[in-house]
Amino acid sequence: GQNIDQPTEMTATEGAIVQINCTYQTSGFNGLFWYQQHAGEAPTFLSYNVLDGLEEKGRFSSFLSRSKGYSYLLLKELQMKDSASYLCAVVPSGGYQKVTFGTGTKLQVIP
Amino acid sequence: EAGVAQSPRYKIIEKRQSVAFWCNPISGHATLYWYQQILGQGPKLLIQFQNNGVVDDSQLPKDRFSAERLKGVDSTLKIQPAKLEDSAVYLCASSARLAGGADTQYFGPGTRLTVL
Repeated sequence: GQNIDQPTEMTATEGAIVQINCTYQTSGFNGLFWYQQHAGEAPTFLSYNVLDGLEEKGRFSSFLSRSKGYSYLLLKELQMKDSASYLCAVVPSGGYQKVTFGTGTKLQVIP
Repeated sequence: EAGVAQSPRYKIIEKRQSVAFWCNPISGHATLYWYQQILGQGPKLLIQFQNNGVVDDSQLPKDRFSAERLKGVDSTLKIQPAKLEDSAVYLCASSARLAGGADTQYFGPGTRLTVL
């Protein structure tokens, strides 16, 4: 089985940097997704990490450490529109793709 | 490219009634997923189809939930009879690649179900 842990809520200031952590335990690991979900809307893809290290995509970066079962999403130059839930999702190894989502971290950006 | 379509967007029913949701995935996507998302939680996979075959339905409450994807395109999810705890958003997603590799899932807008 899989166990995914994320902080429930975070608050950060507009223009600042925030790091959202995700730890996981899984019997087999293929990769890790980050999705953004605005209130009342569907999740949208942000990143997918397979290899260790940092992947940067504009203001958003995602980091993975396979040996530590740890990932984080880094948001720079925060904007009010970044207020949303951020979902970490793990893809196990082998067989078909069965993604397990964490409960999500609700980020509130304040002026 | 059109996205994943779902209907209805909202549904209110009384407990013990039946309800059905419809999903039309992105054209050409082989894999279709139904998720249940309870307020404040992450999406929980109910069932996953590969073309018109079921790949995983281990978390589908089969005594009351059923789903089908007869022609490998559209899908319907049914709840009969509904319980109060079924109140949630039901998300449909699709992805392009066949089983064996991870691929980005594209989500529809969801159906918000309220059971009174």
